[in-house]
Amino acid sequence: EAGVTQFPSHSVIEKGQTVTLRCDPISGHDNLYWYRRVMGKEIKFLLHFVKESKQDESGMPNNRFLAERTGGTYSTLKVQPAELEDSGVYFCASSLSGGYQETQYFGPGTRLLVL
Amino acid sequence: GNSVTQMEGPVTLSEEAFLTINCTYTATGYPSLFWYVQYPGEGLQLLLKATKADDKGSNKGFEATYRKETTSFHLEKGSVQVSDSAVYFCALIERGGSEKLVFGKGTKLTVNP
Repeated sequence: EAGVTQFPSHSVIEKGQTVTLRCDPISGHDNLYWYRRVMGKEIKFLLHFVKESKQDESGMPNNRFLAERTGGTYSTLKVQPAELEDSGVYFCASSLSGGYQETQYFGPGTRLLVL
Repeated sequence: GNSVTQMEGPVTLSEEAFLTINCTYTATGYPSLFWYVQYPGEGLQLLLKATKADDKGSNKGFEATYRKETTSFHLEKGSVQVSDSAVYFCALIERGGSEKLVFGKGTKLTVNP
């Protein structure tokens, strides 16, 4: 069974440009999460989808970030326009049924560098 | 709010040494607790978890016991190997609350032959 995949693995862009990150969850997983780790800091939650609906987007830092999950399969996270402080590693995770006991399976992450 | 505190790294050990990575948490509710590991060049993998007090999670020789009285979930391994070199993250999900994982800062472990 394929794991969570993310694309691209690395992205280097200039401040003010737009970047779109993609996540493909494990097949059949209704729950999809985005997290981010800024250099030297904790991994922080961004948002949670259940199928195509946003269940919790309390961690989204500002309106420059837009996440979508059309059709309840893959998800995209767009940063527009990118700022220097957006640099970090963006992780996607998925789980089958959600809940406090459920394991979230992580992808390898996308390393974003904004110059 | 909820938070997780891990011992500061990096930690460097010799092969076959005993490992302890301390983790304590603050939560308003009754969380589930997790240890995730990130090997070089890879994503996060679940190492072990515990969902109620006194539960012991174990995997690959690693163990951690959910201690409600001390709000701790320390990671231990009796004899580390070079292949255990990685970054270890302690995390929680609060029961009945948001399903988001709250992570500690991570502890980098290097095991030398």
